[in-house]
Amino acid sequence: GNSVTQMEGPVTLSEEAFLTINCTYTATGYPSLFWYVQYPGEGLQLLLKATKADDKGSNKGFEATYRKETTSFHLEKGSVQVSDSAVYFCALGSFTGGGNKLTFGTGTQLKVEL
Amino acid sequence: KAGVTQTPRYLIKTRGQQVTLSCSPISGHRSVSWYQQTPGQGLQFLFEYFSETQRNKGNFPGRFSGRQFSNSRSEMNVSTLELGDSALYLCASSFGDGGNQPQHFGDGTRLSIL
Repeated sequence: GNSVTQMEGPVTLSEEAFLTINCTYTATGYPSLFWYVQYPGEGLQLLLKATKADDKGSNKGFEATYRKETTSFHLEKGSVQVSDSAVYFCALGSFTGGGNKLTFGTGTQLKVEL
Repeated sequence: KAGVTQTPRYLIKTRGQQVTLSCSPISGHRSVSWYQQTPGQGLQFLFEYFSETQRNKGNFPGRFSGRQFSNSRSEMNVSTLELGDSALYLCASSFGDGGNQPQHFGDGTRLSIL
């Protein structure tokens, strides 16, 4: 079956530092890949997506490239801010059994300090 | 455009009771999915509905059920509640035309079982 593996957190960075959160996946077929972010007390917000190999998703300074050869979708940001502190989830979207389904990684908590 | 709305935001129940959670999707979205989020198990897929039909189901016992109405609104029911059902229940909606469609989440219903 499909699965997503994310790096363990928490990740603690100073403001303006470079961020990488690793994500690898196992899937049959050609899934879409997503990054979601969750702030305390809230649901998940879509951060970015990529629907096919070599696609780059980007939003709010965050980027991730769909690498089929390494089955990876690492999240990067060049300069993090305190407001980026949240939990980040990598997810794989599939259309199996005739229906939609997202398979999530375990989430990576990011803490950004001044 | 209004987002996904879940009601109620918080619920407290006791073991053996049953509960119904409600979800109103984004206007125009026909697919509604439900996920359970717990610290131990992370985000797990419960089921997905499209045009009033369940298209996909996760690995949960039959105590967990759902339905979707003609206006795409969905309800989820859990019967004979157990302590382990304490979780954040998230609803997500999408157009539903394939796995590359991003799902948009509500803020969830926090269910606590005493």
